Amino acid sequence: QITLKESGPTLVKPTQTLTLTCTFSGFSLTTFGEGVAWIRQPPGKTLEWLSIIYWNDEQRYSPSLETRVTITKDTSKKQVVLTMTNMDPVDTGTYFCAYTTVRTMTLENWGQGTLVTASS
Amino acid sequence: EIQMTQSPSSMSASAGDRVTISCRASQSIATYLNWYQKTPGKAPKLLIYSASILQGGVPSRFSGSGSGTDFTLIITGLQPEDFATYYCQQSFSSPFSFGGGTKVEIK
Repeated sequence: QITLKESGPTLVKPTQTLTLTCTFSGFSLTTFGEGVAWIRQPPGKTLEWLSIIYWNDEQRYSPSLETRVTITKDTSKKQVVLTMTNMDPVDTGTYFCAYTTVRTMTLENWGQGTLVTASS
Repeated sequence: EIQMTQSPSSMSASAGDRVTISCRASQSIATYLNWYQKTPGKAPKLLIYSASILQGGVPSRFSGSGSGTDFTLIITGLQPEDFATYYCQQSFSSPFSFGGGTKVEIK
């Protein structure tokens, strides 16, 4: 059974760096084709795809956030970490991590999400 | 970067109704199109992938069609638990963008 869970601060101040951790189980992220993505949803708005990291350490980013976002993995800890620099109130929202494979190219399993508020 | 446009953005329907939601891509994405259902406070749930393939465990009243740039999600016989927001997502090329969502509300 695949599970994912996001963790991190609920409140960050503008200009600070946000670090979110996705802790997963039920897969290794070392198997060919596996990946973990980050998606967010500001209050009342649509889903926004942020970044993905694959089993082979290939990373992709949303062009609008590429200069501020970094995704890494630690497969020994079964964790994927997203860092976002220079936080702004518009970055407030619920952040989700999700499991994907290159075979299906879908977000098959999601974490419950974590609400992050950027405010002074 | 591929833009995804959904219509309508919201709609009212009654239980038992047939609901049709459209999704258009700004360029051809073949059948690399997924549909998700989201309710408040919960994570999105994958309903359909590759435009028309029902994810395991999803009721057969959900169906999807389309290819290229135009796609449709149909719910036949709306159930109370189907009142939610539906999102399309393209998985053709990064960034794997979502549509703006369609909120299905109770009439």
